Amino acid sequence: NAGVTQTPKFRILKIGQSMTLQCAQDMNHNYMYWYRQDPGMGLKLIYYSVGAGITDKGEVPNGYNVSRSTTEDFPLRLELAAPSQTSVYFCASSPGVGAGSTDTQYFGPGTRLTVL
Amino acid sequence: AQKVTQAQTEISVVEKEDVTLDCVYETRDTTYYLFWYKQPPSGELVFLIRRNSFDEQNEISGRYSWNFQKSTSSFNFTITASQVVDSAVYFCALCNTGGFKTIFGAGTRLFVKA
Repeated sequence: NAGVTQTPKFRILKIGQSMTLQCAQDMNHNYMYWYRQDPGMGLKLIYYSVGAGITDKGEVPNGYNVSRSTTEDFPLRLELAAPSQTSVYFCASSPGVGAGSTDTQYFGPGTRLTVL
Repeated sequence: AQKVTQAQTEISVVEKEDVTLDCVYETRDTTYYLFWYKQPPSGELVFLIRRNSFDEQNEISGRYSWNFQKSTSSFNFTITASQVVDSAVYFCALCNTGGFKTIFGAGTRLFVKA
């Protein structure tokens, strides 16, 4: 099992550009999440998904979009990148069985994004 | 509202010292889960422990131990005989049962010097 994988690892964007951060998991987990971690801070939830075709907003969704067409993939789209989106982005997944999201979340290695 | 407070921003210890990382949480729910994650310098997040609100037994795993006290809304983490490899940022997190939003504390950066 590769677990949760994220690409790219690093990216520099110019203001106004768009990009998609890729996230995939091979553990057949139902739930997937996107977080951002600003320097010296904890993680904040951007979006989450409880299954293919179902997504919902987290704490800081503005400026982002997600889709979940398969169980395995949960891409995060940034439209019109802004300097405030400079951050490290983590994707996570959890089994979603029984206690649902209170399952342990397994994290990908992160994508470090800089917007200049 | 849910909240997780890790009041210690940075802690520095010398190898072999014991160190306790504090975590205080706020929630109105009676059932919830608490977590600790480790983020080493390489940046990934490593799961350490999950504890539900009905289980107040302390837990020990090797040099790690956790003290959960519902009366004070605290879930503290102790590393015994610290090692340089313990240097990392440690996050405490809270999730209500049936909810989908895990709230993370700001983290405590631990430096263990040789």
